[in-house]
Amino acid sequence: AQSVTQLGSHVSVSEGALVLLRCNYSSSVPPYLFWYVQYPNQGLQLLLKYTSAATLVKGINGFEAEFKKSETSFHLTKPSAHMSDAAEYFCAVSDQGGSYIPTFGRGTSLIVHP
Amino acid sequence: KAGVTQTPRYLIKTRGQQVTLSCSPISGHRSVSWYQQTPGQGLQFLFEYFSETQRNKGNFPGRFSGRQFSNSRSEMNVSTLELGDSALYLCASSPVASETDTQYFGPGTRLTVL
Repeated sequence: AQSVTQLGSHVSVSEGALVLLRCNYSSSVPPYLFWYVQYPNQGLQLLLKYTSAATLVKGINGFEAEFKKSETSFHLTKPSAHMSDAAEYFCAVSDQGGSYIPTFGRGTSLIVHP
Repeated sequence: KAGVTQTPRYLIKTRGQQVTLSCSPISGHRSVSWYQQTPGQGLQFLFEYFSETQRNKGNFPGRFSGRQFSNSRSEMNVSTLELGDSALYLCASSPVASETDTQYFGPGTRLTVL
């Protein structure tokens, strides 16, 4: 069975500061990993995904994430936060040979202060 | 390509009533999934349809049902509404449903049960 843990339901940063959103997964087989973003009153939108190619994955809006098998982690980072990054971020995992349905974490709300 | 559309966007019902929500996937996408999103439980998977067949089902009571039509459009129905059914219901489509597929989400239907 697969599961995802996002540490911190809320993360607060100042504009221009580093953004770090944490995601740890549990999977019995090599996983595929995703980060989605949800802006207010909208559905989720894919930021980036890891599908067993390069371990450092670059996504949209300057975000990137690194797959670390030894730490079972897939943390999301951005060097410099913008006010427009304020949103809810979800980490998700799916398994090779699984049901095709990703398991989502509980989400982390990113707050950006001016 | 047009994105995933969901109708209606907002809905208010009373306890005991039933409701039908509609989802039109991106053209060419054959897999449609439904999720319930609440502040307390996060994003929970309801069910997934592929080529008019329910292929995966989450842990929800039988009051929640769905179907998919030959044009891939999908509906979900909730009978005998309860206060706890108040939530944002998200529909997501993907091309053929594999573990690496990106899920494309609609904006959701906000259901309020009074």
